[in-house]
Parts: sequence; C-alpha cells; structure tokens
Amino acid sequence: GAVVSQHPSWVICKSGTSVKIECRSLDFQATTMFWYRQFPKQSLMLMATSNEGSKATYEQGVEKDKFLINHASLTLSTLTVTSAHPEDSSFYICSARDTWGGRVEQYFGPGTRLTVT
Amino acid sequence: DAKTTQPTSMDCAEGRAANLPCNHSTISGNEYVYWYRQIHSQGPQYIIHGLKNNETNEMASLIITEDRKSSTLILPHATLRDTAVYYCIVRVRNLGNYQLIWGAGTKLIIKP
Repeated sequence: GAVVSQHPSWVICKSGTSVKIECRSLDFQATTMFWYRQFPKQSLMLMATSNEGSKATYEQGVEKDKFLINHASLTLSTLTVTSAHPEDSSFYICSARDTWGGRVEQYFGPGTRLTVT
Repeated sequence: DAKTTQPTSMDCAEGRAANLPCNHSTISGNEYVYWYRQIHSQGPQYIIHGLKNNETNEMASLIITEDRKSSTLILPHATLRDTAVYYCIVRVRNLGNYQLIWGAGTKLIIKP
C-alpha cells in the first residue's frame, strides 16, 4: 500500500512554545489529508480535513487558531500546535487520501507523540 | 458520533481463526465498512473494506450480513503479531468529502 510518513515521531516541548508536525505522502499525491488526535486508550478523533491549496475544515471544538494546518503541496501537510500546553499532549496522526484510478483509499502515518512539559 | 459498536476486548488462541464482530445498524446504502488495526503506539493499518459482498485479501476476510447491519472480520490463522486494537469503521460522505467515522475498537489479544 501507499506510504505516509510523519516527522518527528516524538517531540517534547515546553509549555508556551509551538511545535510543527509534518505529514508526507511518499509515493502518491494527496489532495486531501486528515489530522487526528488520540488520547491514551481512546479511539482516533478527527481534528481537521485539509485540502491542497485551500483552508482546512476543522471539526467542532477544535480551535483553528491553535492548531494551524498548511497543505501547501500535494505531498505535504503540516500541523502546528501553537502555544502548547500540557493538555495538548497526545498522539497526533495524519492520514492522506489516495484517489488514483478512481479509488478512494486513506493511508495513515505512524503518528507523532507530543509531550508538553 | 460513532456508527459502529464492537466488543471492548477479545482473546484468541494462536493459530486459530479470530472472528471480530461489528454492529452498524444505522449504515446507509452507499456507506462502506472499513477495518483498520492499530498496534500499540503506531499509526492505524488498513486491513480490508467492503460494501455489500464478502471480501477477502491476504490479511483477512470480511463477511457482511445481507441487511448490512453487521459484519465480521476474520483473521484465519491468528499469530501473536495480530495482537492489536481492531477498528470497525463506516465511511460516510460529509459535505462532499469522504470521512471515516471511528468506533471504540476491539482489543484483540492473541494468546500462545
């Protein structure tokens, strides 16, 4: 299957600082990418959907000014957690949609573990 | 809101078939059923998906009831590496985009 990478795989930052997480589709172009958050022992929660070249669509309750999403190219989307606080500590997972050949498949990255101290 | 319900956890002996049930009684006619699994602290891994017909691939089989209100994922010969949380998901169309609606998942433990 198609490969999606994330960088970094884990990051520790101090409260009040900003952290950027990158998501790349390595062998396909993705016009649509998704960002999820997962707290311990819970399921994935969709944060936002980003379409290349346009503004992201955020789910209810997700602050767009805190979680900045940029999808500037067909293979790269970034999530910036601004002014991070300990409650933002979580596992952040991106996903990219592959629509090659008329299919609609969604591939997931390995996740980024964010710890805010 | 989740459109699927699954048992919280299940055990299965190594080498036996693991059958994971899922209820999706409110599924609409054009909504697909997807299965992903997640090994601890990793990203979700795609397993299989289907609409109406039963499906099989190198990883698993998916059996969907005729009324489409439930399905079963079958891992034919479970190994210890199949221990993971298995998510039964309905793919819906929302404002022109397809979206995966995640349930709570089943923690499958394969025992030696």
